Amino acid sequence: KAGVTQTPRYLIKTRGQQVTLSCSPISGHRSVSWYQQTPGQGLQFLFEYFSETQRNKGNFPGRFSGRQFSNSRSEMNVSTLELGDSALYLCASSRITGTGGGYTFGSGTRLTVV
Amino acid sequence: DQQVKQNSPSLSVQEGRISILNCDYTNSMFDYFLWYKKYPAEGPTFLISISSIKDKNEDGRFTVFLNKSAKHLSLHIVPSQPGDSAVYFCAASAGDTGRRALTFGSGTRLQVQP
Repeated sequence: KAGVTQTPRYLIKTRGQQVTLSCSPISGHRSVSWYQQTPGQGLQFLFEYFSETQRNKGNFPGRFSGRQFSNSRSEMNVSTLELGDSALYLCASSRITGTGGGYTFGSGTRLTVV
Repeated sequence: DQQVKQNSPSLSVQEGRISILNCDYTNSMFDYFLWYKKYPAEGPTFLISISSIKDKNEDGRFTVFLNKSAKHLSLHIVPSQPGDSAVYFCAASAGDTGRRALTFGSGTRLQVQP
């Protein structure tokens, strides 16, 4: 079966711009979570969506937002980009919400802010 | 404040020997622990997990040990194979059902020498 698909794979943006990343979960998975990976920081939880509702949110500023559509696809938006937002953004899907496990991750979108 | 710590950024082991990856945590509310493996340009892949009610979980060559009093867990890979070379992330979760997220460590890069 198809895995978690993230687009685009690579992105270069300028400080102050905004960016939208997309995630298509595995068919049948209704939960989508987003994580940020930066060098030396591991993966940090951004937020989780289930049935188009945000169920959980990490400790990130309001510039980071997301949404989920009725087909479970999710988008993440970062506004007013800063250099420190350069990271690998990973999306993970699971059948049920908020279990803290059982995730299948996508390959990520590498965002570079210049 | 890192709640999940992997203090060894890298580990090198000979093929056929045991690989031991360590992880420490500070949040006593964590009650579910997982290990993920990540190859370059791919998303993390779930390896093995353990609930806090257990102290050991085994799956083929992979065994996870949990020492709750020391707030320490370890992943043992026996025997190690060159294909095991990857970055290994320890993760933990806590919270009410439906509102859990994963807290990751910063990863340990394992290199298995042929």
